[in-house]
Amino acid sequence: GAGVSQSPSNKVTEKGKDVELRCDPISGHTALYWYRQRLGQGLEFLIYFQGNSAPDKSGLPSDRFSAERTGESVSTLTIQRTQQEDSAVYLCASSVQGNRGKLFFGSGTQLSVL
Amino acid sequence: DAKTTQPTSMDCAEGRAANLPCNHSTISGNEYVYWYRQIHSQGPQYIIHGLKNNETNEMASLIITEDRKSSTLILPHATLRDTAVYYCIVRPDYGGSQGNLIFGKGTKLSVKP
Repeated sequence: GAGVSQSPSNKVTEKGKDVELRCDPISGHTALYWYRQRLGQGLEFLIYFQGNSAPDKSGLPSDRFSAERTGESVSTLTIQRTQQEDSAVYLCASSVQGNRGKLFFGSGTQLSVL
Repeated sequence: DAKTTQPTSMDCAEGRAANLPCNHSTISGNEYVYWYRQIHSQGPQYIIHGLKNNETNEMASLIITEDRKSSTLILPHATLRDTAVYYCIVRPDYGGSQGNLIFGKGTKLSVKP
């Protein structure tokens, strides 16, 4: 596709349920990132993939959060047993290996935990 | 990565140049200066980056001081659509031990009619 695609764009779930958020990076982009942005706040780094390995997962807030990536393609961020504090926009970005400072972001998934 | 300091907010009149400053006094020799912006309800958008020379593209110009301790992003003719939060970030362009970009609080630019 022309840009980074995220789905769903909006997700409403009940506390305690599991959710999966999907990111399709730009074709050929080997690096993929997940960020979280709570309402009115800045971006919080969650995890970084290079190919299908995750050399930096230091931002994952708890063991309820996990992510995987298939090759240099789709990534899924999974949140288990969601809590109200998980409500936020989850942003995915990708970049080419040689220029990890130039990120292309998707429009995000707005997650609301009731 | 080096830290940056930006004003919390700025106003600019439509049609005038918007000059957004950034202080990065602890920048390392191999670190580039990147600028992104985030328009309300959208993901951040890359604007421009540079190492030590001034840079210009279709969106903006980047002026980096000779000592590289500060820079200014210039939007030459601001429009209402340029209202956004602007982030100044420093990091190595290639490689680097960290994979992520660290976004600070940025500058909220309000372009007014």
